[in-house]
Amino acid sequence: GENVEQHPSTLSVQEGDSAVIKCTYSDSASNYFPWYKQELGKGPQLIIDIRSNVGEKKDQRIAVTLNKTAKHFSLHITETQPEDSAVYFCAAEGNKLVFGAGTILRVKS
Amino acid sequence: DVKVTQSSRYLVKRTGEKVFLECVQDMDHENMFWYRQDPGLGLRLIYFSYDVKMKEKGDIPEGYSVSREKKERFSLILESASTNQTSMYLCASSLYQESYEQYFGPGTRLTVT
Repeated sequence: GENVEQHPSTLSVQEGDSAVIKCTYSDSASNYFPWYKQELGKGPQLIIDIRSNVGEKKDQRIAVTLNKTAKHFSLHITETQPEDSAVYFCAAEGNKLVFGAGTILRVKS
Repeated sequence: DVKVTQSSRYLVKRTGEKVFLECVQDMDHENMFWYRQDPGLGLRLIYFSYDVKMKEKGDIPEGYSVSREKKERFSLILESASTNQTSMYLCASSLYQESYEQYFGPGTRLTVT
């Protein structure tokens, strides 16, 4: 079945810097790759997603890239702000949605 | 505004007790999911349902069952709670079966002593 690995497990950046979270997946049939953000005390919330027919997608300060050949995808957050501090989950969907282990992002002001 | 609610934020139960976790969504979604969240393991799917009275096993169904009698409500049942079921439980719903946003509730932190 699908296996999703996510790195790093924790990431600390200075406010204004960029943050990058990387994920790899095992099932070449996977075709949908969402990213969720979980703030303290809340459930995860979708922040951006990408489908296999697209290599890159951007939404304001957030961007996701997908390399289907290498089976990896990444989340890029530019100009980080304290409110970006949260746990971020990547996921990959082939015949089912499988989540990565999560990355704790801390933005220091 | 989309909303998924879970009956309890925190729950403490004893080993062997029968535990019910309730989830309600107000978006008329047909698809509902139960996950457990553990540090370092991410979200793992326990059960899901694509329609009323329909259920499918996820990746870790052992020790759990579910009930979906109404479209808006999806219940997770721990028939005989054990300490290894101490975890955060998240309910989600989605408009489509695949490749679409899932809306999550705030979670229930269950402790089994």
